[in-house]
Amino acid sequence: ETGVTQTPRHLVMGMTNKKSLKCEQHLGHNAMYWYKQSAKKPLELMFVYNFKEQTENNSVPSRFSPECPNSSHLFLHLHTLQPEDSALYLCASSQGSMNTGELFFGEGSRLTVL
Amino acid sequence: DQQVKQNSPSLSVQEGRISILNCDYTNSMFDYFLWYKKYPAEGPTFLISISSIKDKNEDGRFTVFLNKSAKHLSLHIVPSQPGDSAVYFCAASALRSNDYKLSFGAGTTVTVRA
Repeated sequence: ETGVTQTPRHLVMGMTNKKSLKCEQHLGHNAMYWYKQSAKKPLELMFVYNFKEQTENNSVPSRFSPECPNSSHLFLHLHTLQPEDSALYLCASSQGSMNTGELFFGEGSRLTVL
Repeated sequence: DQQVKQNSPSLSVQEGRISILNCDYTNSMFDYFLWYKKYPAEGPTFLISISSIKDKNEDGRFTVFLNKSAKHLSLHIVPSQPGDSAVYFCAASALRSNDYKLSFGAGTTVTVRA
């Protein structure tokens, strides 16, 4: 299995829907991240979890709700999203959030909000 | 405010020639810099890094140069190969300040022509 797996790879949802993105890492890492990548923009850090505890919330709107039940799994629950939330959502992991910064990314979940 | 900037959104280079990707940063606390490479439909993968105590780091065909006084780094790929066609992201963190979060640039799309 690949190191960091994200499902679904593609998601189309209406503004009133509720959906979730899932991330699983098989690398034995302790830290997991959600990033947002919009076209032609830098990757934006959304959330950081270290040993299942949220250590960073980068002023993300409450319509995005993360969940980290254990060090291997990370979810991003989505509800009442806006069309401007359409983007590639990348999950990443690392050996602790206090390290030299090398992240291992999943392939991303391409989200389209209609 | 964007602290890491990649001002060239795209670069086209002939196979066998050198590719030079540039990155500028504004935060003088940044002391660790990374380059990530991203193919379509895949997540970014770590390519090479450099600490601020160095001004050059080489790994095979890839060399990163750091000019701290100019707050500028560059990635050289020589010789360029078709498989190098991808989006390259520059990233930085401030490890000495215990700020391990990565700030990313918007990416440069490299196309290597046969």
